[in-house]
Amino acid sequence: GQSLEQPSEVTAVEGAIVQINCTYQTSGFYGLSWYQQHDGGAPTFLSYNALDGLEETGRFSSFLSRSDSYGYLLLQELQMKDSASYFCAVRDEGVPTFGRGTSLIVHP
Amino acid sequence: EPEVTQTPSHQVTQMGQEVILRCVPISNHLYFYWYRQILGQKVEFLVSFYNNEISEKSEIFDDQFSVERPDGSNFTLKIRSTKLEDSAMYFCASSEGQGNTEAFFGQGTRLTVV
Repeated sequence: GQSLEQPSEVTAVEGAIVQINCTYQTSGFYGLSWYQQHDGGAPTFLSYNALDGLEETGRFSSFLSRSDSYGYLLLQELQMKDSASYFCAVRDEGVPTFGRGTSLIVHP
Repeated sequence: EPEVTQTPSHQVTQMGQEVILRCVPISNHLYFYWYRQILGQKVEFLVSFYNNEISEKSEIFDDQFSVERPDGSNFTLKIRSTKLEDSAMYFCASSEGQGNTEAFFGQGTRLTVV
């Protein structure tokens, strides 16, 4: 089976940089994804890392270290609209399995 | 932009009744999924479906649940004999492939069992 650990809540101010960590245990591994979910909404895909290193997409970057079974999502120039839940998800041979999510609260 | 659509957006049902949640995945996708999210909790995998059969299911997906692809476009989740604890948001998702592709989620069906 799989297990993922991520902080339950992170708070930051507008304009700041925040990092959301995710550690995982899985029997097989294809890659680590990140999804954003606003209250009452569907999870939306943010990024995917299959190989070690940093992937950058605009204000968001995602990092993976396969040897450490660890990844993070980095959000820069935080905006109020970034307040949401962020889930890391592991893909093994089967389906994406989601962590419990990190609630990001952005203050003015 | 192609999207996964789910109907209905809200469903209220009496305990013990059967419900069918409907989904239309993105047309060129081959893998379909159902997830549920109890209020305030994480997204939980229920079942995946490929090539007209279940490819994987979780311990949550017991005999109370079934999935079907009745035609070329719809993907349904049937919940028999609903219980209060089945109240949740149910998300359908689809992906092009397995292992290295993103899953696209529908907006969900909020099921309330009373």
